[in-house]
Amino acid sequence: GESVGLHLPTLSVQEGDNSIINCAYSNSASDYFIWYKQESGKGPQFIIDIRSNMDKRQGQRVTVLLNKTVKHLSLQIAATQPGDSAVYFCAEGPIQGAQKLVFGQGTRLTINP
Amino acid sequence: GAVVSQHPSRVICKSGTSVKIECRSLDFQATTMFWYRQFPKQSLMLMATSNEGSKATYEQGVEKDKFLINHASLTLSTLTVTSAHPEDSSFYICSASDRGRMNTEAFFGQGTRLTVV
Repeated sequence: GESVGLHLPTLSVQEGDNSIINCAYSNSASDYFIWYKQESGKGPQFIIDIRSNMDKRQGQRVTVLLNKTVKHLSLQIAATQPGDSAVYFCAEGPIQGAQKLVFGQGTRLTINP
Repeated sequence: GAVVSQHPSRVICKSGTSVKIECRSLDFQATTMFWYRQFPKQSLMLMATSNEGSKATYEQGVEKDKFLINHASLTLSTLTVTSAHPEDSSFYICSASDRGRMNTEAFFGQGTRLTVV
């Protein structure tokens, strides 16, 4: 079936460095992609989203890149901070209406001091 | 951003009993809410779509008689785990979208940790 998955389950980076978290999706008809951050024992927290008609979108310290040719999504976090340590999920969903989402498996990001 | 609140945040129940989890949109109306389940170190899996004023839509493999969903108002959906068993122990998360704003992201509750003993 269709799925959204991640390349790496864990990622460790030094504080202050940039980090890149990757995600592969299989549904070429997907129109909307989102990155979520989940801290232990909490619900997902929205980070940034991107529509399929875009290939890049920037937020505060974060950038999402979408490559529809190879069905790849990435999240770049600049100047990582200890508070960035969490599990990051990519998800895909419909562009309009209720947001029924398919989540990837998640990457645990650890920031080393 | 919009706030979605779940209650309780943690619950422990005995095997065979039922547990109700509430999901409320605090500052917006949600025609549709979604219920997810997350096992340790795994991703979120959609269980069902909760529709205000009508029956919920369940994902394949999710027992509708075991996971009862009621969405009686535009700000509240409830998930009742009936005759709970230890294998139902999980992290249950709801999400909702603001029906007054098109193309906005889903907002998630803080989750409910259910432990069945």
